[in-house]
Amino acid sequence: ILNVEQSPQSLHVQEGDSTNFTCSFPSSNFYALHWYRWETAKSPKALFVMTLNGDEKKKGRISATLNTKEGYSYLYIKGSQPEDSATYLCASPITQGGSEKLVFGKGTKLTVNP
Amino acid sequence: DTEVTQTPKHLVMGMTNKKSLKCEQHMGHRAMYWYKQKAKKPPELMFVYSYEKLSINESVPSRFSPECPNSSLLNLHLHALQPEDSALYLCASSQGRNSPLHFGNGTRLTVT
Repeated sequence: ILNVEQSPQSLHVQEGDSTNFTCSFPSSNFYALHWYRWETAKSPKALFVMTLNGDEKKKGRISATLNTKEGYSYLYIKGSQPEDSATYLCASPITQGGSEKLVFGKGTKLTVNP
Repeated sequence: DTEVTQTPKHLVMGMTNKKSLKCEQHMGHRAMYWYKQKAKKPPELMFVYSYEKLSINESVPSRFSPECPNSSLLNLHLHALQPEDSALYLCASSQGRNSPLHFGNGTRLTVT
């Protein structure tokens, strides 16, 4: 069974703070790590798909790193804004029956206070 | 705005009703998914279709019946549901292994 764990479960920061949270996953048979941003009343939106050990991806003020050997990824938000408030999900795909399925973590709920 | 369209947005049904959820994508994605999401929990996979064939069924009760009429459409037929089946049902599609999922906005289902 593949377990994808995220911490913390929730996080409150002030506008302008930088923050980060963690996703851990089993490192054996790894081939990709996904990050999604899920705002209330909207659908989850993909931020990054990372595949290479040591990979770092960036989109505006949000960046992510990947360590496949030790099985963790960090998501960083620089200078948090209230519009960054959302639940951030990570997920790792596994192959079953010839198809891929994503196993999601429980998410980190970020609240940025103005 | 989403490239995966789900209808209806909200659905209230009784335990004896039969209803269907619909999902459509025109991105040419080969894989389509149904997820169930309950409050404060991550999306839980129900079914995966790959090239219009059912490839994964996560031991979902038979009162949920998926159907993939063509590569752009995915349906979920509902019959004799229970109140505990009330949840947000999300459809998603992807191009494959290292591609992200594109989610629809979901159908909020309430079973009374």
